[in-house]
Amino acid sequence: ETGVTQSPTHLIKTRGQQVTLRCSSQSGHNTVSWYQQALGQGPQFIFQYYREEENGRGNFPPRFSGLQFPNYSSELNVNALELDDSALYLCASSWGTGASPLHFGNGTRLTVT
Amino acid sequence: AQKITQTQPGMFVQEKEAVTLDCTYDTSDQSYGLFWYKQPSSGEMIFLIYQGSYDEQNATEGRYSLNFQKARKSANLVISASQLGDSAMYFCAMREPWMDSSYKLIFGSGTRLLVRP
Repeated sequence: ETGVTQSPTHLIKTRGQQVTLRCSSQSGHNTVSWYQQALGQGPQFIFQYYREEENGRGNFPPRFSGLQFPNYSSELNVNALELDDSALYLCASSWGTGASPLHFGNGTRLTVT
Repeated sequence: AQKITQTQPGMFVQEKEAVTLDCTYDTSDQSYGLFWYKQPSSGEMIFLIYQGSYDEQNATEGRYSLNFQKARKSANLVISASQLGDSAMYFCAMREPWMDSSYKLIFGSGTRLLVRP
């Protein structure tokens, strides 16, 4: 089975710009979550999508937004980038919204200068 | 609010020996789940093991086992017969119920494990 894939692997942006990160869910998974992992810290929950609708959001401002497509792939968009947005962004997929483990991709490392 | 605490920023272990990574948690929920993930330098979070709060037996997955002590609110990961490839960051996480039956994971700060040859 195909695992979770994310693109790009690395990205460098300037403060104030906008960025789109992409994720393809593991085959058969219909739920996708996004996490932000700052250097030296554990991941922080950004939001989750189930059946193309956002059904949970962490403590992140509205300039963090997302989409889930009918094929269950997903995008994370960040507007008006700030220096503190520099982090590893992890996408995770699972089946349903129950207790099944999250399966993560390799992440996109975003650097904001 | 739920919280995960990992008090060991870094650990060393000799190859082929066992190692225990500590994790304590705080929650007022009766039903919860605990996960351990491994993160190599590549960045991917690899699921290792899961323990449900109502599971009577400690979870085991190959060389990984979870020492679950509910009264102490601890969920330590035990890795037996360490291998060089076990060198990585290890995160303990708790499932926090979200809207309806959805959930998010609350992660600890992680423990960096280095396996010495």
